[in-house]
Amino acid sequence: IAGITQAPTSQILAAGRRMTLRCTQDMRHNAMYWYRQDLGLGLRLIHYSNTAGTTGKGEVPDGYSVSRANTDDFPLTLASAVPSQTSVYFCASALQGGTGELFFGEGSRLTVL
Amino acid sequence: KDQVFQPSTVASSEGAVVEIFCNHSVSNAYNFFWYLHFPGCAPRLLVKGSKPSQQGRYNMTYERFSSSLLILQVREADAAVYYCAVCPSNTGKLIFGQGTTLQVKP
Repeated sequence: IAGITQAPTSQILAAGRRMTLRCTQDMRHNAMYWYRQDLGLGLRLIHYSNTAGTTGKGEVPDGYSVSRANTDDFPLTLASAVPSQTSVYFCASALQGGTGELFFGEGSRLTVL
Repeated sequence: KDQVFQPSTVASSEGAVVEIFCNHSVSNAYNFFWYLHFPGCAPRLLVKGSKPSQQGRYNMTYERFSSSLLILQVREADAAVYYCAVCPSNTGKLIFGQGTTLQVKP
């Protein structure tokens, strides 16, 4: 593994189902982020973590939860998926929070029917 | 509301210099970040800073509330989405613009 790995790359999900998007980085970065990408809206921050054991809410956190049990992993969970959560989700990391220099994964495309 | 503004689409011809403009309304953000995104790939940082800078064919202009990304000798392979972002000092979290799709005609 080199950089950030996201899984799955693509998923179709029925509304109401629970879904976890996985994100792993091997760069020993302290900060990690989840963004969603929507046409005309750019990249919007869902949740973030400045260091293992801490998390925070971004611009659009409703319907999502995260955990940061260790430095490498930052999973994003949709407890009960809704069609408006259809999007492309990007995980990112940074050596330290607040630098603006993010390293992104290749994205996970999620379709909620 | 803190926002970053950029055009949705810019079109150019091969070999030209392309300019993608960005401005923001964030009072405590002083650095611009320009990211490149090819669909299906990971977005990556092209250039950043609080002053004019250059990275290869990419130039960044700087004013307090605006920046332009200039791509020299643009190629068809440069067709992608370019994101402008700023980082407010009080939150440390990037605010992205909507992204600009660059179209390049041969």
